[in-house]
Order: sequence, then C-alpha cells, then structure tokens
Amino acid sequence: GQQVMQIPQYQHVQEGEDFTTYCNSSTTLSNIQWYKQRPGGHPVFLIQLVKSGEVKKQKRLTFQFGEAKKNSSLHITATQTTDVGTYFCAGTNGQNFVFGPGTRLSVLP
Amino acid sequence: NAGVTQTPKFQVLKTGQSMTLQCAQDMNHNSMYWYRQDPGMGLRLIYYSASEGTTDKGEVPNGYNVSRLNKREFSLRLESAAPSQTSVYFCASSERKNNEQFFGPGTRLTVL
Repeated sequence: GQQVMQIPQYQHVQEGEDFTTYCNSSTTLSNIQWYKQRPGGHPVFLIQLVKSGEVKKQKRLTFQFGEAKKNSSLHITATQTTDVGTYFCAGTNGQNFVFGPGTRLSVLP
Repeated sequence: NAGVTQTPKFQVLKTGQSMTLQCAQDMNHNSMYWYRQDPGMGLRLIYYSASEGTTDKGEVPNGYNVSRLNKREFSLRLESAAPSQTSVYFCASSERKNNEQFFGPGTRLTVL
C-alpha cells in the first residue's frame, strides 16, 4: 500500500534559525496536504498542493511539491516559539489521505 | 460555529468493555473520518464516510464499527476493547473527499 515518510523525526532549533521537513511518498500523489499539531492539540490544516513543482508561501512558511509529485517540503524561515509543534504531511493518490509520522519541532528561545 | 465536537474527552476502559465515541460537525460537510493517533505513527484512518448512510474501511478498521447517523454525526464503536486500542482518537470532516480536513479535539482512550 501507499506509504508516506517524513524526515527528520525530531528537530531542535534555536529561535531565529530556519527549519525544513521533508515528505516522501512511495507512490505518485494527486495532491498533498500539510497540517500542524500543537502539543496536546489537534491537527490544523495549513495548505494543499496539487500541481507538479508547485510552490506556495504563507508568511514565513514555504511549501513545495516535487516535480514527480512524490515528495514535498515545508520550510520555515526564522523560527519563532509559536512554531513549536508537530508537522504532518498527508498524501493521496485519489483514495484516502495517508499521513506521514510527522516531524516534531522544538524551538529554544 | 462549534466546528467538530467529540465526546468524551477522556475514557478509561477495562479489556472487553464496549463504548461509543461520538462526533458531530456543524459545517454541513459531506465527508467524515475517524483516525487513531499513536506515538510516532502519525494518524491512521479507521473508517471514512462520504455521505449519510455510507461508510468505508480505512487502513486499520479491525475491532471497530461506525455509524453515520445523519449528515452531522459519525460515531465509532468498540465492541470489545483491547489494550492495543489505547490511543488518541480524532474525528474529522471535510466538504468533500480529499478537501481540507477539520479535526475535533480528540478522545484519549486507555484500555487496561
């Protein structure tokens, strides 16, 4: 079946440093979504990417969808303590979304 | 709008007991989902419902049953709880399949 992997599993950064998490699928995806989950909270939708090579920005967050539509990345510029949480990608090949295991980000002030 | 609500927030069961997790959404969404979240494993889909009266198995359906009572409500039932079902359960909804999903606050279930 479809598998979605994410690296790294954990990332500790100093406030102000950049952060990137990578998402890789075993199959070609029709689209991919990104979610953020704060500690003790529930996942919150960030963005959906559909087109090959697509790049979208939300303030300090930049999302990319690979040309082959099998990988994606989330980059945060100049992290802040409010960025703390776990970032999940979720990919679909037209059936249900499969979530990656997430990257847990901690930001040291 | 309350969004997606779930009850209860916490539950402790003994092995073999049964219970139903309730979920409701007030966004008039067609699709609803039940996920379980275990440490380091992301979210795994248990069951999915595209519309009232329809349900489909997800990745990990064994040991669970669901009921889409109406457009608003989607319940998850554990007939005979097992320790392996200790997890955090999230309900979610979306306007249509593969759209943005809105999650409820979760139910933390422990099976002893």
